[in-house]
Amino acid sequence: EPEVTQTPSHQVTQMGQEVILRCVPISNHLYFYWYRQILGQKVEFLVSFYNNEISEKSEIFDDQFSVERPDGSNFTLKIRSTKLEDSAMYFCASSVRQGVGYTFGSGTRLTVV
Amino acid sequence: AQSVAQPEDQVNVAEGNPLTVKCTYSVSGNPYLFWYVQYPNRGLQFLLKYITGDNLVKGSYGFEAEFNKSQTSFHLKKPSALVSDSALYFCAVRDVNSYQLIWGAGTKLIIKP
Repeated sequence: EPEVTQTPSHQVTQMGQEVILRCVPISNHLYFYWYRQILGQKVEFLVSFYNNEISEKSEIFDDQFSVERPDGSNFTLKIRSTKLEDSAMYFCASSVRQGVGYTFGSGTRLTVV
Repeated sequence: AQSVAQPEDQVNVAEGNPLTVKCTYSVSGNPYLFWYVQYPNRGLQFLLKYITGDNLVKGSYGFEAEFNKSQTSFHLKKPSALVSDSALYFCAVRDVNSYQLIWGAGTKLIIKP
């Protein structure tokens, strides 16, 4: 069964550093998403991406964040100048149609120290 | 505002007994409803969804859910629980004004032998 692959599974970074979280969506999917889950809290939507541009973003997704599909297979989330409160599990997802049939990756646990 | 509530933080069931994990929602318009399961150190795995049609939806691993419009509920059920069903279960609804998923807080399901 096709999978969404996320790397790394766990990343530790120092406050103020930039991190890039990587995702390989399912190959025939057209819509890509990032969600995050702060420990003990709800899963929260960050951003959706289609046709090489952001189609929707939440209030969380401010100028500190950016997404990119650099090579037609990878989908990345960049967090600039990380803060302690950015520590969370970040999930990538993809779908064939928008908003339906999400497949999630296993997540990247980001720890900012 | 659209929202999802999972009123139980934890549900304990003996193996072989039926299980129910509760979910209620608040949306304007017709909801798209989802259940996901998260095993330790794993991603969010899709169980089932309701978009339209029969109110009883069957999904993966023997799970089913019943959409009840009058009670705005979408409870997850399984006739006979397995120890391996122990995990964290999330209910989600698609925002009718966008395509993002709005998540419940999750319910930890513990199945005891």
